[in-house]
Amino acid sequence: SQTIHQWPATLVQPVGSPLSLECTVEGTSNPNLYWYRQAAGRGLQLLFYSVGIGQISSEVPQNLSASRPQDRQFILSSKKLLLSDSGFYLCAWRSGLNTEAFFGQGTRLTVV
Amino acid sequence: KNQVEQSPQSLIILEGKNCTLQCNYTVSPFSNLRWYKQDTGRGPVSLTIMTFSENTKSNGRYTATLDADTKQSSLHITASQLSDSASYICVVSGDGGGADGLTFGKGTHLIIQP
Repeated sequence: SQTIHQWPATLVQPVGSPLSLECTVEGTSNPNLYWYRQAAGRGLQLLFYSVGIGQISSEVPQNLSASRPQDRQFILSSKKLLLSDSGFYLCAWRSGLNTEAFFGQGTRLTVV
Repeated sequence: KNQVEQSPQSLIILEGKNCTLQCNYTVSPFSNLRWYKQDTGRGPVSLTIMTFSENTKSNGRYTATLDADTKQSSLHITASQLSDSASYICVVSGDGGGADGLTFGKGTHLIIQP
């Protein structure tokens, strides 16, 4: 069966520090991978998606970047965090469009 | 513009009671609609999926309905339990959505009181 792992679960980082959130998927190959941010009272906002190794598409301009160094690994990064980067980040995978999205457990990021 | 509107925004009911959550969408073209349950501080988990031709689908105490003509869906929870306390998110899939083909509702925050 397929599983998705996302870590860490919570993170408190000072302004200006770097960020690295990791997501890995097991039990499937060539998944579509996604990073979302979920703000309180708002729907999920798509940040990045990837349909293959090294292929990254960004949906919104921001202080964050994403990379996919391996087929089932998706990383969300920042060189210098801003206060506005605080939020709940979710990684997800799908086998294709119109298929079910499977979400990781999320990372609560607090920038102080 | 593709939109998914959920109501109510929040709901408090007593344990054992039933409740119904609403979802209205304007996504076109439409592929399917899913209801997700999201426990606090966790990732969403799919409860049901509805395609264009389906009117009703059940998953235990959860029953989802879909009216593709009026573009409305509901999620009915029967005999609520404390573990049903969560946010319920309606997600519509269709080629007209974002790059991921998904349009998310903001969710209904449900609290079950003993």
